[in-house]
Amino acid sequence: AQKITQTQPGMFVQEKEAVTLDCTYDTSDPSYGLFWYKQPSSGEMIFLIYQGSYDQQNATEGRYSLNFQKARKSANLVISASQLGDSAMYFCAMKRMGSGYSTLTFGKGTMLLVSP
Amino acid sequence: DGGITQSPKYLFRKEGQNVTLSCEQNLNHDAMYWYRQDPGQGLRLIYYSQIVNDFQKGDIAEGYSVSREKKESFPLTVTSAQKNPTAFYLCASSLGGYSNQPQHFGDGTRLSIL
Repeated sequence: AQKITQTQPGMFVQEKEAVTLDCTYDTSDPSYGLFWYKQPSSGEMIFLIYQGSYDQQNATEGRYSLNFQKARKSANLVISASQLGDSAMYFCAMKRMGSGYSTLTFGKGTMLLVSP
Repeated sequence: DGGITQSPKYLFRKEGQNVTLSCEQNLNHDAMYWYRQDPGQGLRLIYYSQIVNDFQKGDIAEGYSVSREKKESFPLTVTSAQKNPTAFYLCASSLGGYSNQPQHFGDGTRLSIL
């Protein structure tokens, strides 16, 4: 079974600073993918970034980057130059890759508040 | 624009009543999913469908039913057997469960008990 743990219920950051949101995972599958989603107060889930377990480099998408440490089973999201619009819930999720159909397993999320 | 449309945005259910949440996508995705989100919690999978006329139970399927008669549509019925239906429901779709493609989500339906 897969498990995602997000240990930070809430995080505060000042505008223009960088922030790291933690995500650790547990799986026995050798091939898996890790996803980060943003959920603003309006409710929709917005896909941010993806990291495959066999990817050689850490994923980056604009201001988002993923600090992937496979041996430690962690996939932390780094947001650089925070903006007020980054205030939202952030969810880490994973799925098994390779053989067989698989679905996403989500963590409980981290609430990020960006202050002026 | 391609996307996922959920309706209604807000829904109220009376005791003993079944209600149906609509989910339509025009992304030409094969797979569709229904999730439930409770306050302070992550998303929990209710049902998913890989292809038309096929669907599987997720982690919390009891008290819910689905159908997949068309590729574009995956309605969720919350039956009277679901004793605690108050939650935020999210529908999603993806190219398939075998790929690394992300799931795309609708805006959600908030269900409350009258």
